[in-house]
Amino acid sequence: EPEVTQTPSHQVTQMGQEVILRCVPISNHLYFYWYRQILGQKVEFLVSFYNNEISEKSEIFDDQFSVERPDGSNFTLKIRSTKLEDSAMYFCASLDPGLKSYEQYFGPGTRLTVT
Amino acid sequence: GQQLNQSPQSMFIQEGEDVSMNCTSSSIFNTWLWYKQDPGEGPVLLIALYKAGELTSNGRLTAQFGITRKDSFLNISASIPSDVGIYFCAGRGGTSYGKLTFGQGTILTVHP
Repeated sequence: EPEVTQTPSHQVTQMGQEVILRCVPISNHLYFYWYRQILGQKVEFLVSFYNNEISEKSEIFDDQFSVERPDGSNFTLKIRSTKLEDSAMYFCASLDPGLKSYEQYFGPGTRLTVT
Repeated sequence: GQQLNQSPQSMFIQEGEDVSMNCTSSSIFNTWLWYKQDPGEGPVLLIALYKAGELTSNGRLTAQFGITRKDSFLNISASIPSDVGIYFCAGRGGTSYGKLTFGQGTILTVHP
């Protein structure tokens, strides 16, 4: 069964460094999302992406964040200058608009640790 | 923004018992979803509800979309050890492709 994949599974970085989290959505999906989950807390929406542009973003998604679909398969989240409070699990999700369920399929996540 | 209140925060039950958890919102949602998250993994969809009043089952799981569109519950019958995990409700208020708003989660522990 097709699934969303994410790399790396765990990223450790120093405060102030740039990180890029990578996702490969399910191949025929057209809508892409990033969510984050701080340890022990709920999953929070960051951004949605469709037709090569951001369709919606949350207050969390400030100028330090950016997303890109650099080719036909990858979807990336970049954090320009990481802060301690960026430590969290980051989940990518994708959606096939052809499915009536409109289900967002989640990847396994990347654990980002900022030291 | 939209907030979901999910309860209870945690449950400790014996294998075979039934479980019930619920979510309420101050805003209306067009879709309610229930996810399960195992440690170190992403959320997996259990049940999706699209109409107010809808009652849907998936095996031992049953969920309902409240008439007011501001609440939903999930029941698990005859729990088994593999039901252990974190259960999240999520609502979608805008378009069918829009963001999901998640509840705080219910941690379920099942004692054999």
